[in-house]
Amino acid sequence: DAKTTQPNSMESNEEEPVHLPCNHSTISGTDYIHWYRQLPSQGPEYVIHGLTSNVNNRMASLAIAEDRKSSTLILHRATLRDAAVYYCILRDPLTGTASKLTFGTGTRLQVTL
Amino acid sequence: NAGVMQNPRHLVRRRGQEARLRCSPMKGHSHVYWYRQLPEEGLKFMVYLQKENIIDESGMPKERFSAEFPKEGPSILRIQQVVRGDSAAYFCASARDRVPMNTEAFFGQGTRLTVV
Repeated sequence: DAKTTQPNSMESNEEEPVHLPCNHSTISGTDYIHWYRQLPSQGPEYVIHGLTSNVNNRMASLAIAEDRKSSTLILHRATLRDAAVYYCILRDPLTGTASKLTFGTGTRLQVTL
Repeated sequence: NAGVMQNPRHLVRRRGQEARLRCSPMKGHSHVYWYRQLPEEGLKFMVYLQKENIIDESGMPKERFSAEFPKEGPSILRIQQVVRGDSAAYFCASARDRVPMNTEAFFGQGTRLTVV
């Protein structure tokens, strides 16, 4: 799997936007960029994914660099409930039997009042 | 539509006993993944199953661990002769298609196994 690099931790104030970066300089042309998050004492939950174009959903936005070597997860207004570990994951759906999400260390987001 | 259901949520076993962890995938999902998370560590893939088939068990320890996903009923992760090092949170995920095709995986709340 192509490797991703994320900061270990970030802090944000409540009600402010948060930009969570992810570097993936070895990304291949068919790798999808997936983001999951894990709230304390819970299982991971899907946030968003994309291939080339920027993506928006009710939870967040995903901005993908033109060369696809990096991406940014954007939480438009952070709340205390967004405090979690955020994982950026690359996967190529064409790689045969290898079919799993490989979690790295992620970014631990702290949100304060 | 109920989410991925895992039970029990908490399980305490003495060293040498067996632990059986159950996972009921979401309705319509035939792909199940098991992950283990040791305290203060990341999620590690263990096994990927489809109905009645183990597709990828590259993350499963060679001994004492087994998994199944029968035609009927939940997926079971079985740990025989548990040791203290097996204490962890075990998460199950299900997906409609083979992950990560253009789809998402849904995770359960996990089973927290404590070996005493």
